[in-house]
Amino acid sequence: SQTIHQWPATLVQPVGSPLSLECTVEGTSNPNLYWYRQAAGRGLQLLFYSVGIGQISSEVPQNLSASRPQDRQFILSSKKLLLSDSGFYLCAWTPGLAGDGEQFFGPGTRLTVL
Amino acid sequence: KQEVTQIPAALSVPEGENLVLNCSFTDSAIYNLQWFRQDPGKGLTSLLLIQSSQREQTSGRLNASLDKSSGRSTLYIAASQPGDSATYLCAANSGYALNFGKGTSLLVTP
Repeated sequence: SQTIHQWPATLVQPVGSPLSLECTVEGTSNPNLYWYRQAAGRGLQLLFYSVGIGQISSEVPQNLSASRPQDRQFILSSKKLLLSDSGFYLCAWTPGLAGDGEQFFGPGTRLTVL
Repeated sequence: KQEVTQIPAALSVPEGENLVLNCSFTDSAIYNLQWFRQDPGKGLTSLLLIQSSQREQTSGRLNASLDKSSGRSTLYIAASQPGDSATYLCAANSGYALNFGKGTSLLVTP
């Protein structure tokens, strides 16, 4: 069966510090991978998605970036965090190729920027 | 841009009641619609996926319907239980991206 992992589970970072969140999927190959953010009082927002290694599509311009160095690994990064980057970050996957598969979500990372 | 709205924002019912959660979307050109459950501080658990060609899906006490032409979906929960207390989210898939509503927060009281 497929499993999706995210770490760390929680993170408290000062403004201006760098960020690296990691997501890995087990039990499948060539998944589509997604990063979403859930901010307080707002709905879930898609940040990035990837259909393959090195292929990243950005949905929202901001100071975040994503990378996919391996087939089942998706990383969310920032060089300098802003207060507005606080939120709950969720990684998700679907079976590859088509974009209309069922999406499965990881446990999330709670990021607080102070 | 796809806009997804969920009504009501919050709902409190006594145990045993049947209830309906509503979801509407503005662009009917969707591939599918997915319902999720989110417990406080947790990730999303997929409940039901309805493809655009389908009218409804059932899983246990849950039944979800889809009327693509009118831009509506409903999630029906039969014989509600305290363990059903959570936030329920619907999401419309217009191609890769899921567009989420803000959710319905459900409280089932014993």
